[in-house]
Amino acid sequence: AQSVTQLDSQVPVFEEAPVELRCNYSSSVSVYLFWYVQYPNQGLQLLLKYLSGSTLVKSINGFEAEFNKSQTSFHLRKPSVHISDTAEYFCAVSLNSGGSNYKLTFGKGTLLTVNP
Amino acid sequence: ETGVTQSPTHLIKTRGQQVTLRCSSQSGHNTVSWYQQALGQGPQFIFQYYREEENGRGNFPPRFSGLQFPNYSSELNVNALELDDSALYLCASSLVGVGEQYFGPGTRLTVT
Repeated sequence: AQSVTQLDSQVPVFEEAPVELRCNYSSSVSVYLFWYVQYPNQGLQLLLKYLSGSTLVKSINGFEAEFNKSQTSFHLRKPSVHISDTAEYFCAVSLNSGGSNYKLTFGKGTLLTVNP
Repeated sequence: ETGVTQSPTHLIKTRGQQVTLRCSSQSGHNTVSWYQQALGQGPQFIFQYYREEENGRGNFPPRFSGLQFPNYSSELNVNALELDDSALYLCASSLVGVGEQYFGPGTRLTVT
């Protein structure tokens, strides 16, 4: 079975500072990796995905994540954060097994708080 | 393109009652998954439906059941509600064989 560990439950930063949210996963087979963002009282929005190909993936709003197979990590980074980036961020994994059941296994989340 | 929608937004039930939550998939998607998100936790997989059949289940008891309809919409039914069932219930749709899932806004269930 796969599992996801988000190493920080809360990350406070100042506006325009860089940030890294850490994610490690465990799986005996190949996986897909995702970052989702959840704003207060809302559902989850897909932020980034790694399915195959380049190990560095980028979002349209400046976030990026790098798949590191040897370290089983998929850390999320942004060079300069905005107040509007304040939200809960979830790392998730699903099996790349070729089957039709692609359940997502989530970490417990990291609350990013951007202060002025 | 219409995203995933869920109804109702909120509801309050009493322990022992039954509840039905509804979900409409994103246009073009044929697979629906349901997740339970307790306060302060990440979502937990309940089950997935494809071609109107359950296609995988997480660690939830049989009193959690579901349906998928020919138009790919779905229902989550929970019988004999318990206090611990209080949570945000999220529906996600996807295309079979494709990794990413797209989530609705959720239904907040409170059991008193």
